[in-house]
Amino acid sequence: NAGVTQTPKFQVLKTGQSMTLQCAQDMNHEYMSWYRQDPGMGLRLIHYSVGAGITDQGEVPNGYNVSRSTTEDFPLRLLSAAPSQTSVYFCASSLSGQRTATYGYTFGSGTRLTVV
Amino acid sequence: DQQVKQNSPSLSVQEGRISILNCDYTNSMFDYFLWYKKYPAEGPTFLISISSIKDKNEDGRFTVFLNKSAKHLSLHIVPSQPGDSAVYFCDKMDSSYKLIFGSGTRLLVRP
Repeated sequence: NAGVTQTPKFQVLKTGQSMTLQCAQDMNHEYMSWYRQDPGMGLRLIHYSVGAGITDQGEVPNGYNVSRSTTEDFPLRLLSAAPSQTSVYFCASSLSGQRTATYGYTFGSGTRLTVV
Repeated sequence: DQQVKQNSPSLSVQEGRISILNCDYTNSMFDYFLWYKKYPAEGPTFLISISSIKDKNEDGRFTVFLNKSAKHLSLHIVPSQPGDSAVYFCDKMDSSYKLIFGSGTRLLVRP
């Protein structure tokens, strides 16, 4: 099925561990983004990319790294997990430019991460 | 600085009636506003958008109104259905096409 695929769906980490959240889309979208959602809050932008090889920081980038080596994949790396990174993480993708505003971003179903 | 504010955390309406979800913004530099709907344990789903040069956009049961002088926009759902029960996010999109989310309003449509 076409769409945004996130793996894993659930993950428990110990403080200090590292891991990579995977995100893949098969819609040939140029734009991809990572968000986190904490209880009672909206989604906050972590990092985004407007194409392969191009990434930039969002509102809350500290503690996270990204790379975009292909159009399809946009992994999010936690370098040294902290309890403050306990959250639900969403990956999103969209067509480029004006079409982003017309059709919006397509979101994955999320990864629920707990850091103990 | 919360650029997009949804001051009502929840709203309850009767099936068949109109649902009105409100959003205020503080920064006039924007190109588009988008509304998303989110069910539990799912990602947000795009509903409708409006550009800064318009004051209204509609798609089926959903209509978004933009009042630039008041820095206010609203989403109207008519008629409301139980399946519309979800959290609704008002989002700002700037010229770089990044989305900034509001805090959300939980809508409950009672049968």
